Amino acid sequence: SQTIHQWPATLVQPVGSPLSLECTVEGTSNPNLYWYRQAAGRGLQLLFYSVGIGQISSEVPQNLSASRPQDRQFILSSKKLLLSDSGFYLCAWRAIAGGPDEQFFGPGTRLTVL
Amino acid sequence: GNSVTQMEGPVTLSEEAFLTINCTYTATGYPSLFWYVQYPGEGLQLLLKATKADDKGSNKGFEATYRKETTSFHLEKGSVQVSDSAVYFCALVTGGFKTIFGAGTRLFVKA
Repeated sequence: SQTIHQWPATLVQPVGSPLSLECTVEGTSNPNLYWYRQAAGRGLQLLFYSVGIGQISSEVPQNLSASRPQDRQFILSSKKLLLSDSGFYLCAWRAIAGGPDEQFFGPGTRLTVL
Repeated sequence: GNSVTQMEGPVTLSEEAFLTINCTYTATGYPSLFWYVQYPGEGLQLLLKATKADDKGSNKGFEATYRKETTSFHLEKGSVQVSDSAVYFCALVTGGFKTIFGAGTRLFVKA
């Protein structure tokens, strides 16, 4: 069966520090991968998605970036965090075109920027 | 463009009450429709789905029917439990890479 991992689970970082969040998927090949952010009490904001290794689409211009160095690994990064980057970050995967349309989410990383 | 509108929360109910969370959508083509649930501190989980008009998705006592004529996919449960307290997201996929999510509806169930 497929599983999705995210780490760390929680993170407290000072403003201006770098960020690296990692997501890995097991049990599937060539997934579409997604990064979302959820501010407190708010809905989901799609940040990036990827349909293959090295292919990244950005939805919201900001100080975050994403990379996909391997088929089942998706990394979210920042060189300098802002207070507004605080939130709950969710990674998700979906089967390639022609497969089921539902997304499967990881457990999330709660980031607090102080 | 494609969009999902769901009722604003929070919704507060007593245990064993009937639940309806309204969801309407705007989409080109024939979307697949979903309900996801997010328990406190966790990621989202698929609750149920429907892929064509008049399909009924069901799971854990929840159900929703894909109504093309009213572009709706309302979530219902006959008798809610305290453990159903969560945020519920309605969503659609129209064949592209992205899932369009509603804003979410928070449900509180009191014992």
